[in-house]
Amino acid sequence: EVQLVESGGGLVQPGGSLRLSCAVSGFTFRSYWMSWVRQAPGKGLEWVGNIKQDGSEKYYVASVKGRFTISRDNAKNSLYLQLNSLRVEDTAVYYCVRDVGVVAWDYWGQGTLITVSS
Amino acid sequence: QSALTQPPSASGSPGQSVTISCTGTSSDVGGYNYVSWYQQYPGRAPKLMIYDVTKRPSGVPDRFSGSKSGNTASLTVSGLQAEDEADYYCSSYAGSNTHVVFGGGTKLTVL
Repeated sequence: EVQLVESGGGLVQPGGSLRLSCAVSGFTFRSYWMSWVRQAPGKGLEWVGNIKQDGSEKYYVASVKGRFTISRDNAKNSLYLQLNSLRVEDTAVYYCVRDVGVVAWDYWGQGTLITVSS
Repeated sequence: QSALTQPPSASGSPGQSVTISCTGTSSDVGGYNYVSWYQQYPGRAPKLMIYDVTKRPSGVPDRFSGSKSGNTASLTVSGLQAEDEADYYCSSYAGSNTHVVFGGGTKLTVL
């Protein structure tokens, strides 16, 4: 059974940092691009960024470039999202997702909520 | 404001068909055959329903179909069932700079 389990969310002050983790099981993690997608409370979906199988390529939405970093550890079947210089508008549920094509994500984690507030 | 435009709501009676539109530009929907549709129930993670404009992942009922004409993609749900009541989001590839854009979502109500 494919499972993606995010952790690391919580309440953080503006300007603060957090690191999200996503533990993956049930498929060959090193064979897939992986992405993070977020959803602000009561709002729509927003792609945050993705990372190639070997970590050699990473892409981000403009609003998080230079602040967020995606990484992965294929030996640990884990995906990470380092969030720095957090802003109120980064408040959202963050989903770890498996890429199966262009803008096609077939497995999603349960999501982890980040609240940026003073 | 979302890059892709979806109607905020749509509705139909059980057994009927409903079509949800997703309008973009030649830089996203019209420029690539990479449009996906996601179904989301309240409090749940989204589920992939259609990808590459028309393809259905295994397990998705064939009542769900996708199409595209010019800068507008569409999701059609035929033979509406109560369980189809959910939010639906479209997404499109938007080139090497922007990468991915989403629609604002459509709440589908089964009357």
